[in-house]
Amino acid sequence: NAGVTQTPKFQVLKTGQSMTLQCAQDMNHEYMSWYRQDPGMGLRLIHYSVGAGITDQGEVPNGYNVSRSTTEDFPLRLLSAAPSQTSVYFCASSYDGSSYEQYFGPGTRLTVT
Amino acid sequence: AQSVSQHNHHVILSEAASLELGCNYSYGGTVNLFWYVQYPGQHLQLLLKYFSGDPLVKGIKGFEAEFIKSKFSFNLRKPSVQWSDTAEYFCAVNLANTGFQKLVFGTGTRLLVSP
Repeated sequence: NAGVTQTPKFQVLKTGQSMTLQCAQDMNHEYMSWYRQDPGMGLRLIHYSVGAGITDQGEVPNGYNVSRSTTEDFPLRLLSAAPSQTSVYFCASSYDGSSYEQYFGPGTRLTVT
Repeated sequence: AQSVSQHNHHVILSEAASLELGCNYSYGGTVNLFWYVQYPGQHLQLLLKYFSGDPLVKGIKGFEAEFIKSKFSFNLRKPSVQWSDTAEYFCAVNLANTGFQKLVFGTGTRLLVSP
């Protein structure tokens, strides 16, 4: 199993550009999440999904969209990038919502200039 | 608002020293508690967790944590650190039965162990 994979590893965007961060898992997990990690802020939940076709907002959803058309994939879309979205983004998955043992991807480091 | 505090942002130790990283939370009620670790260049992984029962929890790689309800604390300990323990450590908390989406992470503690 590859676990949770994320692409790209690094990305530089200009303000106003859009892009999609990819996340995939091969563990047949129902639950998937996107977090951003900022210095001094810990990890904050952006969006999450409890199964294909079902998504919901986390703590900091503004400026991001998600969809979950398959169990495996959970892409995160930045609609119009802003410097405040410079961060490290982590995707995570878990096999149910109560175990809390989330498996994290390697992260995407995004810089918006 | 519910919050998780990790007061030590950076810790530097020599190999074989003992480690204690603090974690305090502000929730009322029954909580689930976690420590995650992120080694350099790697993704976060679960170190240990507490749901109920014995408040002293053993995790991987010789780590343990003690839940002290009266102090709202869940400190991470290791009797003798190794260079390979250099990493960032995150405490996380949520109210029992509220789901993974309610998990709140602390700001992290960067541990550097010198050989």
